[in-house]
Amino acid sequence: EIHLTQSPSSLSASIGDTVTISCRSSQNIFISLNWYQQKSGQAPKLLIYAASRLQTDFPSRFRGSGSGTDFVLIIDNFQPEDVATYFCQQSFTFWTFGQGTKVDVK
Amino acid sequence: QITLKESGPALVKPSETLTLSCFFSGFSLNSDAAAVGWIRQPPGKALEWVGFIFWDGNTRYLSSLKNRITITKGDSKNEILLTMTDVDPADTGTYFCIHRQGGDFYDDRGNYHVGIYYFDFWGQGTLVTVSS
Repeated sequence: EIHLTQSPSSLSASIGDTVTISCRSSQNIFISLNWYQQKSGQAPKLLIYAASRLQTDFPSRFRGSGSGTDFVLIIDNFQPEDVATYFCQQSFTFWTFGQGTKVDVK
Repeated sequence: QITLKESGPALVKPSETLTLSCFFSGFSLNSDAAAVGWIRQPPGKALEWVGFIFWDGNTRYLSSLKNRITITKGDSKNEILLTMTDVDPADTGTYFCIHRQGGDFYDDRGNYHVGIYYFDFWGQGTLVTVSS
């Protein structure tokens, strides 16, 4: 089973900050890595797919990069509406999720 | 526009059988490569895939659950069912019905990758509590 490890598990950011979340895979998953945003009490929403493709409905301040075993999600110019938990997910072999990174406002 | 909506009991007793339904619209499960599945989330915890059913009727289940779950197509062509036997309090959580999408993509180095899948539409989720 492929394991995904996210770091940090939580962080506080000031408005306008650049936020970086890491996701490391236990095996090479090439670009089969997706990111989801889950706001409190809501279903997750697809944010980034295939490591770097931004889903429609999301602003360009969200960026994804990486391949192989190391991936990052970057939020430029952090906004209050970005408060959420972010999950990475691999689809190379079945589907597993990272444990999530909770992002709030400092 | 794709929509999915889960329904089922909010409370189930330990050892009983849970059945959840997912009605969907905006796509056909009979279309090539289509897949619909279930993901669950215990309160305050991470997401965990439960299982999927594919356009050809094949299914895939999380290995730790495969002896207890079955995903089938419902009587309606726009419905799938999740049946989980012998439920335990550890099965408590929100169950999401999801649509799987996929495609072929180039990476930053120009390498071509086929069959990259992701979950592009989610139901609102249904909270199931297993308790006596």
